[in-house]
Amino acid sequence: AQKITQTQPGMFVQEKEAVTLDCTYDTSDPSYGLFWYKQPSSGEMIFLIYQGSYDQQNATEGRYSLNFQKARKSANLVISASQLGDSAMYFCAMREGRGANNLFFGTGTRLTVIP
Amino acid sequence: GAGVSQSPSNKVTEKGKDVELRCDPISGHTALYWYRQSLGQGLEFLIYFQGNSAPDKSGLPSDRFSAERTGGSVSTLTIQRTQQEDSAVYLCASSSLAGQDTQYFGPGTRLTVL
Repeated sequence: AQKITQTQPGMFVQEKEAVTLDCTYDTSDPSYGLFWYKQPSSGEMIFLIYQGSYDQQNATEGRYSLNFQKARKSANLVISASQLGDSAMYFCAMREGRGANNLFFGTGTRLTVIP
Repeated sequence: GAGVSQSPSNKVTEKGKDVELRCDPISGHTALYWYRQSLGQGLEFLIYFQGNSAPDKSGLPSDRFSAERTGGSVSTLTIQRTQQEDSAVYLCASSSLAGQDTQYFGPGTRLTVL
């Protein structure tokens, strides 16, 4: 089974609107971390937001928030007030267990912001 | 800049040649990771270094791939006898604490094997 599933290959959003990018994960380890990265056309992976499995509150970073639903094993990214510069690929990733050495990535969602 | 740097940014080589890709992590970061991103795909873990410990090579796809990290800083990923399926973007990341901290990525090296 896939560790990280992103079911939206592409999404469109109107500038200044909010958009939700979906991510579900699969793990039996009670300790894990969830990450979202943005990859613009330049190719660099830019860290956006992190949610730990034991965190009681949803993570927020500026216009980014993570809708963490532990029972559903989902970690959706919400981008508020979309900007043209938000157009990029977005990857959800998971670090499984304490001291894990690597991240498992989803296949990504391409977000296009329409002016 | 203070970020992860990688060189070259682009590399075109002929099938069967060896290539070396370089990664310079963020100063002070002890953990270094290599990932591969094939066209239209997510990232695939290759190898991980933490301080002076033996590297975790569990993600290397074949024995043609190897990596070293000198002096706990700069890392080189070597691909011997390149094949067309090796064409991908190779991304390096570093973090300050192994497994406990966010990984910060470099801009990647786009490798094309003709």
